[in-house]
Amino acid sequence: EPEVTQTPSHQVTQMGQEVILRCVPISNHLYFYWYRQILGQKVEFLVSFYNNEISEKSEIFDDQFSVERPDGSNFTLKIRSTKLEDSAMYFCASSIEETGANVLTFGAGSRLTVL
Amino acid sequence: QQPVQSPQAVILREGEDAVINCSSSKALYSVHWYRQKHGEAPVFLMILLKGGEQKGHEKISASFNEKKQQSSLYLTASQLSYSGTYFCGTGRLYGQNFVFGPGTRLSVLP
Repeated sequence: EPEVTQTPSHQVTQMGQEVILRCVPISNHLYFYWYRQILGQKVEFLVSFYNNEISEKSEIFDDQFSVERPDGSNFTLKIRSTKLEDSAMYFCASSIEETGANVLTFGAGSRLTVL
Repeated sequence: QQPVQSPQAVILREGEDAVINCSSSKALYSVHWYRQKHGEAPVFLMILLKGGEQKGHEKISASFNEKKQQSSLYLTASQLSYSGTYFCGTGRLYGQNFVFGPGTRLSVLP
């Protein structure tokens, strides 16, 4: 079964450092997302991406965050200068038009720990 | 707009039933149910699109009321494997914000 793959599975970084989280969505999917989940809390929407541009972003997705699809397969989330509160599990998801609605397939997540 | 879920948490014995509710003050385009086990990604369970719709998945089923403002997830004769956090989500059009509810933690004990 096709799956969304994410790397790294766990990254530890110092506050202020740049981090890039990578995702390979399912190949025929057209919509891509990043979500984050702080330990024990809800899954929070960060950004959605379609046709090589951001289609929607939340208030969490400030100027420190950016997304790219550099080569037609990878979908990356960059955090320019990490803060302690960026520590969370980051999930990538992708979807395709199906049955008139948007069904997301999630990757296994990248755990980011900021020290 | 984030949907509201209730209860926040529920503890069951194997074989017992549970209902998890998801509601919104405005009509939803659709409602999705996901289950997340500890340390894992959310996994899609089912989607309901139409008011009055009911859908089943093994011993887990869901309904969507006529006004499309409330959905309930029914877990019948629960198994240990049902333990996890259940999220409802409201999906709109493609590529747009898909928002999850706060989650309901379900624990099934032997």
